[in-house]
Amino acid sequence: AQTVTQSQPEMSVQEAETVTLSCTYDTSESDYYLFWYKQPPSRQMILVIRQEAYKQQNATENRFSVNFQKAAKSFSLKISDSQLGDAAMYFCAYRSVLNYGGSQGNLIFGKGTKLSVKP
Amino acid sequence: EPEVTQTPSHQVTQMGQEVILRCVPISNHLYFYWYRQILGQKVEFLVSFYNNEISEKSEIFDDQFSVERPDGSNFTLKIRSTKLEDSAMYFCASLEGRWNSPLHFGNGTRLTVT
Repeated sequence: AQTVTQSQPEMSVQEAETVTLSCTYDTSESDYYLFWYKQPPSRQMILVIRQEAYKQQNATENRFSVNFQKAAKSFSLKISDSQLGDAAMYFCAYRSVLNYGGSQGNLIFGKGTKLSVKP
Repeated sequence: EPEVTQTPSHQVTQMGQEVILRCVPISNHLYFYWYRQILGQKVEFLVSFYNNEISEKSEIFDDQFSVERPDGSNFTLKIRSTKLEDSAMYFCASLEGRWNSPLHFGNGTRLTVT
């Protein structure tokens, strides 16, 4: 079974600085997807960024980028120019490839990292 | 942009009562999910639903839980006899079905069992 580990329960960053959130996972599959979701105090789940395992190029979405190391099974999230609105819980998640009759696209989440942004 | 909508946003119920949590997934999506998040803990998978039947369920999803898609638009989660430990945030999500599409989550229903 796949597992996702986020080893940093809490992180803190100064506004405008850069912070990196760690995520490792365990799987025997060769193709899969990885996601970072943001959960602000409203408790919505907001997709931040996603990465397809077959792609070597790291995904980027504006100030958010990932460092995907497939061999090491590592998927860290870098937030540049941190803003007060970035303060939230961040969840790393794994998903198998959709497979009719097999995997049904279920997400497996890590325990989350609570990010605080200091003004 | 289409959204997954959940109602109610907050439900308070007494232990032993039945509750139904409602979700309207995005209309062209094919896969539907319920997740649970106990306060301060991680998001846990409950059940997935495809082609009008349960396709996967977790150990949490015992006989007290059931899901339905009664009319082609709503997707409901029923808890027959609620327990205190069922207090949590319940998220509905849907997936288009394209191989690389992400799950879209609703805003959640906060269930409080007293």
